[in-house]
Amino acid sequence: NAGVTQTPKFQVLKTGQSMTLQCAQDMNHEYMSWYRQDPGMGLRLIHYSVGAGITDQGEVPNGYNVSRSTTEDFPLRLLSAAPSQTSVYFCASSRNVDRFGEKLFFGSGTQLSVL
Amino acid sequence: GDSVTQMEGPVTLSEEAFLTINCTYTATGYPSLFWYVQYPGEGLQLLLKATKADDKGSNKGFEATYRKETTSFHLEKGSVQVSDSAVYFCALSPNTGFQKLVFGTGTRLLVSP
Repeated sequence: NAGVTQTPKFQVLKTGQSMTLQCAQDMNHEYMSWYRQDPGMGLRLIHYSVGAGITDQGEVPNGYNVSRSTTEDFPLRLLSAAPSQTSVYFCASSRNVDRFGEKLFFGSGTQLSVL
Repeated sequence: GDSVTQMEGPVTLSEEAFLTINCTYTATGYPSLFWYVQYPGEGLQLLLKATKADDKGSNKGFEATYRKETTSFHLEKGSVQVSDSAVYFCALSPNTGFQKLVFGTGTRLLVSP
């Protein structure tokens, strides 16, 4: 059982380049999300989805796009990379959107550097 | 808004020492509280949780008690091991959906032999 799979693990971009971070889960989870992790700031929610075809913004959505065409996949797109987007990105999923005390399953992360 | 405050690290201990990592929160209502752990090079994993006041979450020798009167959820372990070296995140969920899940800044624990 693979869980939540993120690719790539590492990426270096130049300012202005675009790219897509991939996330896939094989647990048939309704909820999927993207977080970024920055030193001294914990994890901050970028975008999330409560099911195929449904997405919404989190705390820090600017500069990122998402789509959810299938239950399994939730890619994160950087349209024009900026140095401020240098961070570690985590995809997370959960079985049930609103269940009390439900836990998140995290991928192993993508370390992105924008030069 | 809701927030979580954790003690700054790193916390450096010798093997078999007692561990406490402080976590306090600010929230309206009755949130669920979590501790997640991140081992080097990996994503976060749920360590334990508590969903109502006075509940004690426990796992792998770690414990935390939901204290509403002090708005705290401190993580404790009686005897740490080198393999416990990781970053620990306290988090709260106001139970209105994951879009409101709030993480603390994380506390790095380093355990030496």
